[in-house]
Amino acid sequence: GAVVSQHPSWVICKSGTSVKIECRSLDFQATTMFWYRQFPKQSLMLMATSNEGSKATYEQGVEKDKFLINHASLTLSTLTVTSAHPEDSSFYICSAAAGEYVDTQYFGPGTRLTVL
Amino acid sequence: EDQVTQSPEALRLQEGESSSLNCSYTVSGLRGLFWYRQDPGKGPEFLFTLYSAGEEKEKERLKATLTKKESFLHITAPKPEDSATYLCAVQAVVDYKLSFGAGTTVTVRA
Repeated sequence: GAVVSQHPSWVICKSGTSVKIECRSLDFQATTMFWYRQFPKQSLMLMATSNEGSKATYEQGVEKDKFLINHASLTLSTLTVTSAHPEDSSFYICSAAAGEYVDTQYFGPGTRLTVL
Repeated sequence: EDQVTQSPEALRLQEGESSSLNCSYTVSGLRGLFWYRQDPGKGPEFLFTLYSAGEEKEKERLKATLTKKESFLHITAPKPEDSATYLCAVQAVVDYKLSFGAGTTVTVRA
């Protein structure tokens, strides 16, 4: 149980293009989903929190117009990196949690984004 | 601001050589302390949640303990497949966000 998938697992794109990453909870309904980014040999940094049907809450320093998050259903959240640049290259990981207190977060396998 | 510090940064063990990882934390009201395992190029895998000082949890060769200021992850008689980065995170009562430590990378040699 508590399986979270991400698609794609890796993507390479040209500078200036937009990239969409999907996060799905496969066997439970996720009331809240989180998006993190992780640079090499560093820990996870929370980018934003999304609740189904409402606008995402972004962490300080994260540009909401650049990282668009949509949480359209209880099993799907998407992160769109708009007008990507090489500095956006990173490992993006989503997590999903269920329940009122958003207790345990279950993580997806991650998406490696490389912007040329 | 919540802070999580993990030590050591890296740990190299011989197969069967037991050891402990440390996670020191400061948080304005602890809701839960989480341990995750992360393999290279993968997302973190949930291991344990600890809620109150004195609590202990075990899973195979791993045992996690919690005090008011730190948590330990004990690895008993490790095997090469226990090689991974172990992440500690805290969740405060005031919100549901996880604050992660930098992790301890464990390498177990056969």
